[in-house]
Amino acid sequence: GAVVSQHPSWVICKSGTSVKIECRSLDFQATTMFWYRQFPKQSLMLMATSNEGSKATYEQGVEKDKFLINHASLTLSTLTVTSAHPEDSSFYICSAPDGPTNEKLFFGSGTQLSVL
Amino acid sequence: QKEVEQDPGPLSVPEGAIVSLNCTYSNSAFQYFMWYRQYSRKGPELLMYTYSSGNKEDGRFTAQVDKSSKYISLFIRDSQPSDSATYLCAMSGNTGGFKTIFGAGTRLFVKA
Repeated sequence: GAVVSQHPSWVICKSGTSVKIECRSLDFQATTMFWYRQFPKQSLMLMATSNEGSKATYEQGVEKDKFLINHASLTLSTLTVTSAHPEDSSFYICSAPDGPTNEKLFFGSGTQLSVL
Repeated sequence: QKEVEQDPGPLSVPEGAIVSLNCTYSNSAFQYFMWYRQYSRKGPELLMYTYSSGNKEDGRFTAQVDKSSKYISLFIRDSQPSDSATYLCAMSGNTGGFKTIFGAGTRLFVKA
């Protein structure tokens, strides 16, 4: 199956700093990528849909100025958590669909963010 | 009421047991039904997907969809300790732009 690479796997940062997470589709082109947040023992919460060459679509309640998404190429989407605070500590995961109906999603390995 | 309901468990079974995992849903527009497996602190991986109603088998795994009851199941035969993970059901349909809705995930422990 398709491979999605996500980096870094974990990051620890000080409160007030910004953190960038990268998501790359290695063997296919992804015009759309999805970004999720997952708290311990909870399901995936869709944060935003990243669209190549256009603005991301954010889910209700997600601050677009805090979670900046850039999808500059067909193989790379980035999520930047700006001015991170301890409450932003979470597991962030990206995924890319295999087709327009999203029945096959290929996920990155996730990024554990800890904000001190 | 959530669109997708899934018992979070945990579910603990002995090695070799048949495992049954289930989800119910409320949106009759869902057409694609998926099961993902997620190991701790990793991204989910797609196990199986089914379009509309019916059964699908892949090795030790069988997925069933009953659209009339809005109920989907995943069966794992001859369960192994390596099957210990969280299993997420997911579904999408042509309303809402095929947005995938995930269940809460069921944590499964297979004891050796």
